[in-house]
Amino acid sequence: NAGVTQTPKFQVLKTGQSMTLQCAQDMNHNSMYWYRQDPGMGLRLIYYSASEGTTDKGEVPNGYNVSRLNKREFSLRLESAAPSQTSVYFCASSDRGRLSTNEKLFFGSGTQLSVL
Amino acid sequence: QKEVEQNSGPLSVPEGAIASLNCTYSDRVSQSFFWYRQYSGKSPELIMSIYSNGDKEDGRFTAQLNKASQYVSLLIRDSQPSDSATYLCAVSNSGYSTLTFGKGTMLLVSP
Repeated sequence: NAGVTQTPKFQVLKTGQSMTLQCAQDMNHNSMYWYRQDPGMGLRLIYYSASEGTTDKGEVPNGYNVSRLNKREFSLRLESAAPSQTSVYFCASSDRGRLSTNEKLFFGSGTQLSVL
Repeated sequence: QKEVEQNSGPLSVPEGAIASLNCTYSDRVSQSFFWYRQYSGKSPELIMSIYSNGDKEDGRFTAQLNKASQYVSLLIRDSQPSDSATYLCAVSNSGYSTLTFGKGTMLLVSP
């Protein structure tokens, strides 16, 4: 059981280049999330998808787009990368998106992105 | 802007001691509170959740919640070197569909 799988694990981009981070979960979860983690800044929510077919902005959505391709897959796209987007990106999923009970976030292993 | 505040640390404790990690939050309507542990270079993993005022114990871990003071804490008893990690406090937002994370407290347990 792979859980949440992110690709790639590492990526170096030049300013202005575009790329897509891929995320897939095999737990039949309804909700999926993209976070970024910067030193001293903690985890910040970029976008989330409460269910297949829906997406919503989080705390720091500027410069990003997302696609909930199907129930399993949730991709994050940087259209024109900037040095400020250098970060570690985590994808996560949860069963029903009702984080009021014992439901928890399952995280992928992360993507370390550097924009030069 | 909802805020979750944690002391960044590092908090250094000797092996066998009690480690006390603290968190305050700004949104009075928050109802669900979580502690995630993150080892260096790894992804976060949930270790405790708490929803009601008071204490909740799970093995060596105790979460404490005081909604009136908007304060959550995590106690780790009999700390082990393997507990050395960053501990992230997280608070559910209205609708319970997302979490706001604190910046984390680094814990160092020395043998």
